[in-house]
Formats: sequence, structure tokens, C-alpha cells
Amino acid sequence: KAGVTQTPRYLIKTRGQQVTLSCSPISGHRSVSWYQQTPGQGLQFLFEYFSETQRNKGNFPGRFSGRQFSNSRSEMNVSTLELGDSALYLCASRQGLAVNYEQYFGPGTRLTVT
Amino acid sequence: SQELEQSPQSLIVQEGKNLTINCTSSKTLYGLYWYKQKYGEGLIFLMMLQKGGEEKSHEKITAKLDEKKQQSSLHITASQPSHAGIYLCGAPSSSGYSTLTFGKGTMLLVSP
Repeated sequence: KAGVTQTPRYLIKTRGQQVTLSCSPISGHRSVSWYQQTPGQGLQFLFEYFSETQRNKGNFPGRFSGRQFSNSRSEMNVSTLELGDSALYLCASRQGLAVNYEQYFGPGTRLTVT
Repeated sequence: SQELEQSPQSLIVQEGKNLTINCTSSKTLYGLYWYKQKYGEGLIFLMMLQKGGEEKSHEKITAKLDEKKQQSSLHITASQPSHAGIYLCGAPSSSGYSTLTFGKGTMLLVSP
């Protein structure tokens, strides 16, 4: 089975712009979660989608949004980019929402905001 | 909110030596995930522990979950350069069933 894929792998944007990141989960996985990783804050949960519905949301401003499509693929969008949004954005997928499902991560998208 | 503290923060071991990394939770553990990350890359799933006292092994890596101590340990036997990386523990949030809270990570270097 193919793993979790994320595109693009690297991105450079300017402050004030917006960006869209894409994630394709492992086949058969219906839950997709997004995390932000920075040197200072570590890994922080952004949101989780299951069956096209947002099930959980972390403590991030409304500039961060996401969606999930009927094929379980997910996108996250960050509007009005700030320098502090520079980070590695990781997507993870699992079969379902229950805690006993293993969660697998993609390679990440490295976003640099200048 | 739940916090996970990993110790040590970093570790340098000689190739062939054993080592242990600990992950302690501030709240009740409902399960514990271990991941490995090469700098700037995605997380590689190592193991998931669900029940107190559970122990799992994969190749030379063994993880245990001690519910009473709210702690998990990751033990590597006869370390190799391929074991180098950042080890992260993650646990389901106390209020939810799926989102993970992560520790800050333990950086492991293996010297030849």
C-alpha cells in the first residue's frame, strides 16, 4: 500500500499571501489529521477530518482551515500568512477515529514565509 | 491539557550500546505512540501501546507502557547508526479519542 502523500514538499510564500497544502491518505483510511511542527512549539495538532466533517480542532487562529473530500483526500489552507507560520506541516491518516487505530504520517510540507 | 515529558532531551551513545528513552504523562494515559523522525522529515510509526503493562518489540526496539506511573519507555538494544534520529512519543488527548499530544522529542546520535 502506498503511504500518506503530501504535496508540495516545499513551499516559499510571502507574508500576506495564502497557501493550500494537500494530503492523500493511505487507501482505506478515512480520518486525516493535520499537525504543525516548529522548533519552538514542537508538534501541535491543527484539526482532524473524518467523512468530510471536521471532528476536532486545535488551538489555532481562524486563518487556518481545512477540508476533506469524498475520497478522503484533504487540503489545508492558511490565509494572510505570517512569518510565524513557517513550519513543517504534517498530515496523518488512520482508518477511523477510535484510539486503537494506528496513525501514519506523511513526509510533510516545509512552508517558509518571507 | 495533557503534557508529555521526554527524557533525556538528547543522547549520544556508542554503536553497540543499549539505551532507554522515557516518556511521562501529566495525566492518565489512554494509549501511547512512538515515532521516529529524521530531521525535517515525516514521522515513522514505530509502535502503539494500548494497555497497561503492554510490551511490544520490533527488531531491536522494545516499548513498554506503565499505566500506574503514567509512563512509557523505549529501549534500543545494540544501537546502530540507523537508529539515529528524533524519537517522539504521542498520546491521545484526555478529552478526545483521536488527536495526539506529543512530547518535545529525544534526539539520538549513535557514534561509530
